[in-house]
Amino acid sequence: GQNIDQPTEMTATEGAIVQINCTYQTSGFNGLFWYQQHAGEAPTFLSYNVLDGLEEKGRFSSFLSRSKGYSYLLLKELQMKDSASYLCAVREGETGANNLFFGTGTRLTVIP
Amino acid sequence: DGGITQSPKYLFRKEGQNVTLSCEQNLNHDAMYWYRQDPGQGLRLIYYSQIVNDFQKGDIAEGYSVSREKKESFPLTVTSAQKNPTAFYLCASSLRDRGYEQYFGPGTRLTVT
Repeated sequence: GQNIDQPTEMTATEGAIVQINCTYQTSGFNGLFWYQQHAGEAPTFLSYNVLDGLEEKGRFSSFLSRSKGYSYLLLKELQMKDSASYLCAVREGETGANNLFFGTGTRLTVIP
Repeated sequence: DGGITQSPKYLFRKEGQNVTLSCEQNLNHDAMYWYRQDPGQGLRLIYYSQIVNDFQKGDIAEGYSVSREKKESFPLTVTSAQKNPTAFYLCASSLRDRGYEQYFGPGTRLTVT
């Protein structure tokens, strides 16, 4: 089974940095993924981590610690358009190669 | 343009009726998925298919059925047996060996009264 936790809501200021945390408990861990979802729209893939460490992609970075069951998504130089829900998802290698289990999402509001 | 489409965007049905949601992709992806999203809950996997003519139940398959007769299409039927069918339904697809990078359709919001 899986247990994925992330904060329900966060607020940050335009131009600032925000860190969205995700903790998980799962068997057969095979990767952690972040998706962005604007209200009423489909999720879009942001990043994934399979090994420990930081993956950077422009203004977004994602970190993973497998021993701690912990990941975070770091958003720098926040823009108003970054207001969205950010979904943390875990893949389990044992239950199917591509099945992702999603957390409830963190709704980020960027204010001027 | 390549992409994944779902239609319609909004669907209304009376309780007791079966309804089929369409999902089509022209990305040449082998794998396709159906999720359900409810307020305050994460996406939950209903069914998935890794290849044509094969599909597997996800976490919440009860009350739903699917078919995968063509690579491009993965329709979902919400049957009258589904106790709480009102939800936002998302279809996704991926390359079989890149399942972490799933491409989502725009979703269908189903309301059953």
